[in-house]
Amino acid sequence: AQSVSQHNHHVILSEAASLELGCNYSYGGTVNLFWYVQYPGQHLQLLLKYFSGDPLVKGIKGFEAEFIKSKFSFNLRKPSVQWSDTAEYFCAVKGFQKLVFGTGTRLLVSP
Amino acid sequence: DTEVTQTPKHLVMGMTNKKSLKCEQHMGHRAMYWYKQKAKKPPELMFVYSYEKLSINESVPSRFSPECPNSSLLNLHLHALQPEDSALYLCASSRGDEKLFFGSGTQLSVL
Repeated sequence: AQSVSQHNHHVILSEAASLELGCNYSYGGTVNLFWYVQYPGQHLQLLLKYFSGDPLVKGIKGFEAEFIKSKFSFNLRKPSVQWSDTAEYFCAVKGFQKLVFGTGTRLLVSP
Repeated sequence: DTEVTQTPKHLVMGMTNKKSLKCEQHMGHRAMYWYKQKAKKPPELMFVYSYEKLSINESVPSRFSPECPNSSLLNLHLHALQPEDSALYLCASSRGDEKLFFGSGTQLSVL
C-alpha cells in the first residue's frame, strides 16, 4: 500500500519569502503524485500533478514541484509567497484506485 | 460542468437517527469516492466505487453504508452513528487514474 509523509506540519513565512514543502512517498508500483490545497473554509483544490515525463511540473498560482524518483520525493516550491497562500497543503499519491494523503502542512503567510 | 455537488452542506443528527449524504457529478467520471476528514487532519479514504460497483472498502464500520444508484450519484447512508463520527465527509470523482475532483463536503455533527 502507498504512504505519504510530509515533514513540515506548520510553516510561517513573511510575504515574498520562498517556500519549499517536503513530501516523500512509498509505493511499489507506478505512482501518480499530486499536491492539493485547502484554503480556510473551502474544498480541496488541485495545485499540480505528476504522471510521467518532465519531473518538474508547474501548477496554478505560481507553484511548482519536482519529482525525484531516486529520493521518492515530490517537493512543492514557490519562489515568492503571498498572504493569500495561507492554507493547508496536502501531498497525495495515487496507486491503483486509491488516493492517499499526507498529514498536511499548514502554511501561514504574514503580510 | 466540472463540479461535484454534495448535499446537505451541514447535518446534525442524533445517535439513533438515519440520514443520507448525497453526491452528484455530471462529468462522466466512472470512479467515485467517499473520504472522511476530521479537523486539522488529512482526508481518509472510506470507499471507492468504480463503474457503479464497490471496489474498495477501507474497513469502514457498517453504520456507514454507501450506495451508487447510477454513474452520476453516490450516497452515504448513516445509521446509529457515534459522536466520534462527527467530521467533514467529502465526495470525489475521477476519470480513472486522473486527478480527483472534490466536492465541498458535508459537515456532520453527531450528538
